[in-house]
Amino acid sequence: AQSVTQPDIHITVSEGASLELRCNYSYGATPYLFWYVQSPGQGLQLLLKYFSGDTLVQGIKGFEAEFKRSQSSFNLRKPSVHWSDAAEYFCAVGDYGGTSYGKLTFGQGTILTVHP
Amino acid sequence: DGGITQSPKYLFRKEGQNVTLSCEQNLNHDAMYWYRQDPGQGLRLIYYSQIVNDFQKGDIAEGYSVSREKKESFPLTVTSAQKNPTAFYLCASSPGQLYGYTFGSGTRLTVV
Repeated sequence: AQSVTQPDIHITVSEGASLELRCNYSYGATPYLFWYVQSPGQGLQLLLKYFSGDTLVQGIKGFEAEFKRSQSSFNLRKPSVHWSDAAEYFCAVGDYGGTSYGKLTFGQGTILTVHP
Repeated sequence: DGGITQSPKYLFRKEGQNVTLSCEQNLNHDAMYWYRQDPGQGLRLIYYSQIVNDFQKGDIAEGYSVSREKKESFPLTVTSAQKNPTAFYLCASSPGQLYGYTFGSGTRLTVV
């Protein structure tokens, strides 16, 4: 079965600093990978996704992620963090085999705090 | 605008009562999903459905039930058999494989 690990439960950065959130996955075939963001008490919003092709993918709000098959990683990055980026971030891997019909397995999330 | 509506946003119930959470989408998506979110545990899949009148158990289906009588609707019932029902419940939908999900804004259920 597929799984996702986000090693950092909580990350704090200063506004304007760069950001990298780590994600490691386990999946038997070519993975379909996603990053979502969640503000407190809200649903999740899709930031970006990777299916195939270029291993560096661009998303909304200035985020990007790089797929590294050799490391089973899909880390999320942003060159300069804004206070509004404070939220919880989830990495997910899609299961597209058989009757799974694209169900996603999520990591445990990383809470991002931004200091002014 | 198209989207997913979950209602109510907050729900309080006494222990031992069944409660039904509503999820409606007007995106014409085939697949719908229910997840449970607890602090520090990420999202865990309860049930999912690909088409009307068909659904499958997820990883934590015990104590929950669903129906899919219409494409737009996928209600979740939390039964009295669910040992620890207090949580944040998220509904999502997808047009198919490779698209990822669109999420509703969630229902916070508190059982007292």
